Amino acid sequence: AQTVTQSQPEMSVQEAETVTLSCTYDTSENNYYLFWYKQPPSRQMILVIRQEAYKQQNATENRFSVNFQKAAKSFSLKISDSQLGDTAMYFCAFMNPQNIQGAQKLVFGQGTRLTINP
Amino acid sequence: DAGVIQSPRHEVTEMGQEVTLRCKPISGHNSLFWYRQTMMRGLELLIYFNNNVPIDDSGMPEDRFSAKMPNASFSTLKIQPSEPRDSAVYFCASSWSGRGFHEQYFGPGTRLTVT
Repeated sequence: AQTVTQSQPEMSVQEAETVTLSCTYDTSENNYYLFWYKQPPSRQMILVIRQEAYKQQNATENRFSVNFQKAAKSFSLKISDSQLGDTAMYFCAFMNPQNIQGAQKLVFGQGTRLTINP
Repeated sequence: DAGVIQSPRHEVTEMGQEVTLRCKPISGHNSLFWYRQTMMRGLELLIYFNNNVPIDDSGMPEDRFSAKMPNASFSTLKIQPSEPRDSAVYFCASSWSGRGFHEQYFGPGTRLTVT
């Protein structure tokens, strides 16, 4: 079974700083997807960024980028020029795209609570 | 599209009562997922459906929990009888399942408190 580990329960940085959230995972699969989800105080789960394991290039979405190290099974999220609105819980998640009976379930890490201070 | 709709948003009930949580997936999606979020266990998948058929219910905690999907536009998660340890936020998510990646869209969640 796949597992996802986020070793940083909480982090705090000043506005405009860069912050990196860590995530490691364990799987025997060669092809899979990795995600970072954001959960602000509103509770809504928002997809921030995704990475396909077969792609060597790290995914980027505006101020958000990942450092995907497949051999090390590491998938960190970097937030540049952090903003107050980035304050949220961040979850790393794994998906095995093997389309067993047509559904793809997510396995989540425990989350990192990120606070951006003014 | 209105997104995934869940009701109620908040539910407070007494131990022993039956609780029913409802979910309307995004129109056109054929996979539906129920997750539970607690401080102790984080986000965990309870059950998921594909084309209205339950595929994997191994995450359902015990027989007190049951889920149904009578049609493509509606699902329920029922707890009977409820216990204080069931207090959590319950999320419903939906996606299209097919070749390649398809994003799961989450509803706003139902915060359940069992006293």
